[in-house]
Amino acid sequence: DAKTTQPPSMDCAEGRAANLPCNHSTISGNEYVYWYRQIHSQGPQYIIHGLKNNETNEMASLIITEDRKSSTLILPHATLRDTAVYYCIVSVNQAGTALIFGKGTTLSVSS
Amino acid sequence: DVKVTQSSRYLVKRTGEKVFLECVQDMDHENMFWYRQDPGLGLRLIYFSYDVKMKEKGDIPEGYSVSREKKERFSLILESASTNQTSMYLCASSLMTEPYGYTFGSGTRLTVV
Repeated sequence: DAKTTQPPSMDCAEGRAANLPCNHSTISGNEYVYWYRQIHSQGPQYIIHGLKNNETNEMASLIITEDRKSSTLILPHATLRDTAVYYCIVSVNQAGTALIFGKGTTLSVSS
Repeated sequence: DVKVTQSSRYLVKRTGEKVFLECVQDMDHENMFWYRQDPGLGLRLIYFSYDVKMKEKGDIPEGYSVSREKKERFSLILESASTNQTSMYLCASSLMTEPYGYTFGSGTRLTVV
């Protein structure tokens, strides 16, 4: 069980902000939220992660609600190259050694 | 640029063959992983290694084994390839201190005929 709920697909116009939501209502206090993306025919790429505070790096911003039950990944100025499947992950395997990927959101950026 | 390199992009093997998928990383990462990705099923963990000669089973280890003789190299072995092992195989690595900050390879698409 991936423990996250993401919309299966979203569209965004090039140059606009892409806001990708993720619900993780059963997250526990010490679980991080990780975001990865997978461009077609490539391996997934790490984007960002956070625990409680909002985070920003050169790729994106991560906004986590105060109750930590949901988060939003923001790509501030989407480009065509941002078209990908975006994974929001809070789960690890039973041994606690590796991430469990769900189905993600397919983001389509168009001109 | 740091990278995880998988030896083959595409591979076609016959049923019953022993198949080796190789993965090399140049980042001095302690952790290495093998996942397979199938349509509708997402990425599923096969095996994981946190040190040389150490390995742990993931969620779907049946029919697979692994080898880690050197820190930079993690091999996935299909002992006797079957058609249900046709899939995209993805290798990843990470630091022990940042266990979920993965760097993935580009993947090997294996077809077993």
